[in-house]
Amino acid sequence: KAGVTQTPRYLIKTRGQQVTLSCSPISGHRSVSWYQQTPGQGLQFLFEYFSETQRNKGNFPGRFSGRQFSNSRSEMNVSTLELGDSALYLCASSPPPSGALAKNIQYFGAGTRLSVL
Amino acid sequence: AQKITQTQPGMFVQEKEAVTLDCTYDTSDQSYGLFWYKQPSSGEMIFLIYQGSYDEQNATEGRYSLNFQKARKSANLVISASQLGDSAMYFCAMRVISNFGNEKLTFGTGTRLTIIP
Repeated sequence: KAGVTQTPRYLIKTRGQQVTLSCSPISGHRSVSWYQQTPGQGLQFLFEYFSETQRNKGNFPGRFSGRQFSNSRSEMNVSTLELGDSALYLCASSPPPSGALAKNIQYFGAGTRLSVL
Repeated sequence: AQKITQTQPGMFVQEKEAVTLDCTYDTSDQSYGLFWYKQPSSGEMIFLIYQGSYDEQNATEGRYSLNFQKARKSANLVISASQLGDSAMYFCAMRVISNFGNEKLTFGTGTRLTIIP
């Protein structure tokens, strides 16, 4: 089974531009979560999508948005890029829960490393 | 709110020795899951082991075991017979599972483990 695929792996943008990152989950997984990883703030939850609906959202400005398609693939968009948006963006997918207390492991992709100049 | 604390920024361990990575957590929820992930320099987060708050036995996965002490709110990762390939960042994470459908993981700051030949 193929793992979580994130494209592109590397991106260089300038301040004020916008960027779109893509994530293809493991086949059969319907939940996709996004995280931002920076040296200063560590790993922070951005948002999570399930069946094309945003189910959870972290504490990020509205410049960060996302969506999920009917095939569970997800994209996240950052508009009006700032220098502080330079980070590794990680996507994770998890299988349908098997119960209310299911452990639902999240499987991560290799990430997209975004540099804002 | 949930919080994960990892107090060891870095550790150096001789090859073939056992190593314990510390993790303490804070939550008022009764149902939660604790995860350990490994992040090599490539960036991908690799799932290692899971412990549910209601699990009576400590989790084990090959050379990885989780020393779960619920009363002390600690979930330390033990790696037996360390190998050079174990050199990486290790993150402890938690997910509250009392809210069905909540996929948000809260991460600690990580421990950089270096195995010395």
